[in-house]
Amino acid sequence: QQQVKQSPQSLIVQKGGISIINCAYENTAFDYFPWYQQFPGKGPALLIAIRPDVSEKKEGRFTISFNKSAKQFSLHIMDSQPGDSATYFCAASRANAGGTSYGKLTFGQGTILTVHP
Amino acid sequence: DTGVSQDPRHKITKRGQNVTFRCDPISEHNRLYWYRQTLGQGPEFLTYFQNEAQLEKSRLLSDRFSAERPKGSFSTLEIQRTEQGDSAMYLCASSSSQGANSPLHFGNGTRLTVT
Repeated sequence: QQQVKQSPQSLIVQKGGISIINCAYENTAFDYFPWYQQFPGKGPALLIAIRPDVSEKKEGRFTISFNKSAKQFSLHIMDSQPGDSATYFCAASRANAGGTSYGKLTFGQGTILTVHP
Repeated sequence: DTGVSQDPRHKITKRGQNVTFRCDPISEHNRLYWYRQTLGQGPEFLTYFQNEAQLEKSRLLSDRFSAERPKGSFSTLEIQRTEQGDSAMYLCASSSSQGANSPLHFGNGTRLTVT
């Protein structure tokens, strides 16, 4: 059951360009939306996350845009660098029964980003 | 290195054998998660511990899978009677209790190959 759909599967951009990855979710109970970066042979690492009470969050070159009505969110990487080449995953979760954890994440299928020098 | 540590990094086993993986979380983290990642896919949630208590299990965690976290520190994931479909990367993650959405810190995983 694919509750978070991610596109594109792969993306090639030139150094300095903007990389844009999109995700759509189905479960309206989700209220935490992180993005993870994964390099080959490594575990995913949190890049940036957003809650649905804001429409945009920016941290350095990374920005999340969130559209609650459309149930979509996207990651924008400004001034993309070759070191950004990795697989990016969007994810979504809701609090557990006790409200103590959002750690049960539902991930998208991933986007392989290649940034050419 | 004070990150999440997983052992072994790679495991090759024959179908029908039992395997056990270990995860050492970041020391002050009381929450521990196991995920499974197959090639070309995102990680899938398997189970979650808060301290020593296993609070949630996915339907993906069949009867052949068991996870433990004695004393609320390290955790083990055992797969009995392995099948070829169990071949995947098994990821462990931990998070602190400071805030419900404190970030998950993932280890580098154990890659299981069942022949």
